[in-house]
Parts: sequence; structure tokens; C-alpha cells
Amino acid sequence: AQSVTQLGSHVSVSEGALVLLRCNYSSSVPPYLFWYVQYPNQGLQLLLKYTSAATLVKGINGFEAEFKKSETSFHLTKPSAHMSDAAEYFCAVSKTSGSRLTFGEGTQLTVNP
Amino acid sequence: DGGITQSPKYLFRKEGQNVTLSCEQNLNHDAMYWYRQDPGQGLRLIYYSQIVNDFQKGDIAEGYSVSREKKESFPLTVTSAQKNPTAFYLCASSMRKRGTGYREGSYNEQFFGPGTRLTVL
Repeated sequence: AQSVTQLGSHVSVSEGALVLLRCNYSSSVPPYLFWYVQYPNQGLQLLLKYTSAATLVKGINGFEAEFKKSETSFHLTKPSAHMSDAAEYFCAVSKTSGSRLTFGEGTQLTVNP
Repeated sequence: DGGITQSPKYLFRKEGQNVTLSCEQNLNHDAMYWYRQDPGQGLRLIYYSQIVNDFQKGDIAEGYSVSREKKESFPLTVTSAQKNPTAFYLCASSMRKRGTGYREGSYNEQFFGPGTRLTVL
């Protein structure tokens, strides 16, 4: 069985500060890992994905994430927050086979001017 | 433009009524999914379908039904048996990687529609 834990349901940063959103996973098989972003009343948009190639993954809007097998983590970072980054972020895991995703409970990011 | 459409965006229903939410995709994706989103609970999988005329229950299928008669369409019916139907419903789809079987094959990332907000009055 797979599961995802996102530490911190709410994260608040100042504009220009580092963004760090934490995600830890458990999986009995090598996983695929994803970060999605959701703006209010909209669907989810893929930020980036890890599919067993490079452990440092670069995504859209300046975000990146590093897969650390020893820590079972896939934390999302951005060097400098922008006001437009304010949204809810979801980490998700799937097996390399099969189509089901398991989502974390989400982290609401607030960016203060 | 390729994508996933969900209609309507807002839907109101009286208690005791069934209602059907539409989801259409023109991405030629093999698999389609329905999720329910409640505040503070993330996304929970209701049903999914990896091939036409076949679908599987997710984690919270009770009170819901689906059909997959066409590859591009995966409607969700919220029945009167669903005790707490008020929620934001999201449809998604994904492409199976070629050369892999549909049940345990490898799938690419899921793409999401804009969602339908259902309110039961």
C-alpha cells in the first residue's frame, strides 16, 4: 500500500523568500511521484514529476523537487516566492505500474507582501 | 485545443435526487478517474476506468455510479444514497504507455478537468 504525508497544512512565506513544501511517501515498490498545484475553484495542474530518471526534477514556474530514497522524501522548493504562487499544493504517489494515484492532504501556501 | 471538460461548473440538487456530472476528454487518453475533494481532506478516488466498458471502485464508491461506453466520456452519477454529496468533483485522465497491459500497465501523469461544485439543498 502507498501513502503520502504532507507536513504542514498551511505554510506562509514572504514574497522573495524560499518556499519549502514537505512530502514524505511510503511505497512497497519503486514509486512515481508528482506535485500538483490547485488555484481556487480550479482543477489540478501538474508542476513536476519523478519517474526514476534524475533525482532532481525541475518543473514549471521555477519549482523543483528532489527525490531522496533514503529519506523517502520528495520536497518541493522554489528559491524566491512570488505572490502568484499562493495556492494549494498536492503531493501524489503511484506505483510504476497501474494507474492509481494516492494524494496527500495538501498544503495551502500563503505569500505575504 | 485538447483537454478535459466538465459540466456544469456549479450544480444544485435537492435531497433525494440523482444527478449526473459530465466529463469529456479529447486527449485520446486510456484511463479516466473521478475524485471528490472536501476541505482539508485532499482528493479521494471514487471510481476509475482503464478501458472502455470496464471500471473499478476507488476508495469511496458508495452512493456513486459510473459508465464508460466511449473512450472520451466518463459520466459520474451521484445517487440519493450518497449521504454527503456536497463537494467539489474532479475528473482526470491519463495515457497508458504503449506496450503495457491495461490493468497493470504503466501510465503517464493524470490531467485534470476544471471541476464541478455540487451543492445539495
